[in-house]
Amino acid sequence: AQTVTQSQPEMSVQEAETVTLSCTYDTSENNYYLFWYKQPPSRQMILVIRQEAYKQQNATENRFSVNFQKAAKSFSLKISDSQLGDTAMYFCAFMKEGSYGKLTFGQGTILTVHP
Amino acid sequence: GAVVSQHPSWVICKSGTSVKIECRSLDFQATTMFWYRQFPKQSLMLMATSNEGSKATYEQGVEKDKFLINHASLTLSTLTVTSAHPEDSSFYICSATIQNYNEQFFGPGTRLTVL
Repeated sequence: AQTVTQSQPEMSVQEAETVTLSCTYDTSENNYYLFWYKQPPSRQMILVIRQEAYKQQNATENRFSVNFQKAAKSFSLKISDSQLGDTAMYFCAFMKEGSYGKLTFGQGTILTVHP
Repeated sequence: GAVVSQHPSWVICKSGTSVKIECRSLDFQATTMFWYRQFPKQSLMLMATSNEGSKATYEQGVEKDKFLINHASLTLSTLTVTSAHPEDSSFYICSATIQNYNEQFFGPGTRLTVL
């Protein structure tokens, strides 16, 4: 079974600064996907970024980038130039290839961006 | 594309009544749908996985007679909370996947309050 651990229950950052959210996972699988989801106060789950395990290059989406360390089983999210709208709960998630899309979520990190 | 809707968005019911929540994939055919439960400031807890035309697979500890799931078509899954009690009050989220796509698309969630 897979496990995903987010060790930071809460984080805060000043607007325009950079913040990094941590995520580690445990799996014996070789082919899998990793995701970061954002859940703002509306509670709609929004996909922030996705990483295929077979890709060595770290995924980036505008101000969001990941540091994927496969050997260390680490998958951190960096948010640059933080904006007030980034305030949300962030979840790291794992999906085994061929699992019909089943996700294993971490505990979540509440991020607050201060003006 | 890949929009998932849920209805209702918020429901209040009396203890002992049953409540049905609908989850629809609006612009795609979902091979698999997932139902989650989420308490405030906590992670998503997977309740069950459903595939069109077959019985849902429930996670350990989830009462299948309490939470009835029907996946009648490739675009519709329903969750019925039977004989609801105040402890069933929660936020329920559905998601859907497309075969071999390796991503889940989330509905906006349903807030259930049982009085």
